[in-house]
Amino acid sequence: EAGVTQFPSHSVIEKGQTVTLRCDPISGHDNLYWYRRVMGKEIKFLLHFVKESKQDESGMPNNRFLAERTGGTYSTLKVQPAELEDSGVYFCASSPLEDLGEQETQYFGPGTRLLVL
Amino acid sequence: AQKITQTQPGMFVQEKEAVTLDCTYDTSDPSYGLFWYKQPSSGEMIFLIYQGSYDQQNATEGRYSLNFQKARKSANLVISASQLGDSAMYFCAMRVRGNNRLAFGKGNQVVVIP
Repeated sequence: EAGVTQFPSHSVIEKGQTVTLRCDPISGHDNLYWYRRVMGKEIKFLLHFVKESKQDESGMPNNRFLAERTGGTYSTLKVQPAELEDSGVYFCASSPLEDLGEQETQYFGPGTRLLVL
Repeated sequence: AQKITQTQPGMFVQEKEAVTLDCTYDTSDPSYGLFWYKQPSSGEMIFLIYQGSYDQQNATEGRYSLNFQKARKSANLVISASQLGDSAMYFCAMRVRGNNRLAFGKGNQVVVIP
């Protein structure tokens, strides 16, 4: 069974440009999460999809970030326009849609390393 | 809000020895889960072990075990018989019931030396 995959693995862009990150969750996983780790800081939650619906987007830093999950399969995270402070590693995670409460295990992808110059 | 603290500096561990990674947490919710993830240099985050707040026994998964001390709010990861492939960053995380997000610590860097 394939794990969570993310594309691209690395992206280097200039300030003001647009970047779109993609996440393919584990097949059949309806929960999809985006997280971000800025250099030297903790991994922070960005948002959570259940199928195609945004369940919780309270972690999104500002309106330059737009996440979509059309059709409830893969998700994209677009940053437009990118700023220097957006640099970091963006992780995607997925889990099955079962009410396991606090036991739900999220399976992570390898992350996309974004560098904004 | 939940908070996870991992304050150990980078650690060097001799192969075949055990290593303990510290994790303390803070939450007012009585129902929560604690997770440890491993991130090797290749970048992927690998789930290692889970401990529920109501579990009576410490969780174990192969060479990984969790020293769960609920009153002290600590959930230390113990890796026994370290192997070179254990060299990685290790993250402690917590999730409370009703809140899907994971709250992470800053991580512990472990380097296993032969």
